[in-house]
Amino acid sequence: RKEVEQDPGPFNVPEGATVAFNCTYSNSASQSFFWYRQDCRKEPKLLMSVYSSGNEDGRFTAQLNRASQYISLLIRDSKLSDSATYLCVVNTNAGKSTFGDGTTLTVKP
Amino acid sequence: DGGITQSPKYLFRKEGQNVTLSCEQNLNHDAMYWYRQDPGQGLRLIYYSQIVNDFQKGDIAEGYSVSREKKESFPLTVTSAQKNPTAFYLCASIGGGPQHFGDGTRLSIL
Repeated sequence: RKEVEQDPGPFNVPEGATVAFNCTYSNSASQSFFWYRQDCRKEPKLLMSVYSSGNEDGRFTAQLNRASQYISLLIRDSKLSDSATYLCVVNTNAGKSTFGDGTTLTVKP
Repeated sequence: DGGITQSPKYLFRKEGQNVTLSCEQNLNHDAMYWYRQDPGQGLRLIYYSQIVNDFQKGDIAEGYSVSREKKESFPLTVTSAQKNPTAFYLCASIGGGPQHFGDGTRLSIL
């Protein structure tokens, strides 16, 4: 079993739709969590950190459920420019940082 | 501006040849990481280092080697033992928060 698993996707949604991605992790020593966005043939860019209480940044909401060991990302009112691959990353307190395989989102007009 | 610099951007390797990918950061971060990404796949951890003169194997360390002689530098050598080295290689660093990435190096076999 992989340490970090994401919804495989791809997700194809119309503009304005709400879409949610999930990511589960197996290491209970995991300490910090992030969502990254990666565009084709580019390096990943930080989208947002994930806090225990949940956090929101504009149209994006991230949630963490430590008991069930998963994190989620919700995108509301999808834009064409949201089309990308979304990666979750989980860091342990020993310094190891593991990425999920990514979920590809395509927003269509 | 502070950041991570990877070089070269594109690299070609002959069969049986070792090549070294450079990663330099001026963010004063302690931890540095190397990842490999194959087309349509996620990032897989090769090696990571939390402090100078110390590093740990990631999930796919075979065929690779690293050194961490200076805080700013974490070069990755792709050895001839790595039979399928063609991939996108990403270096990252952490200074107590999320990872910062370099632009990556694309390695191909001639």
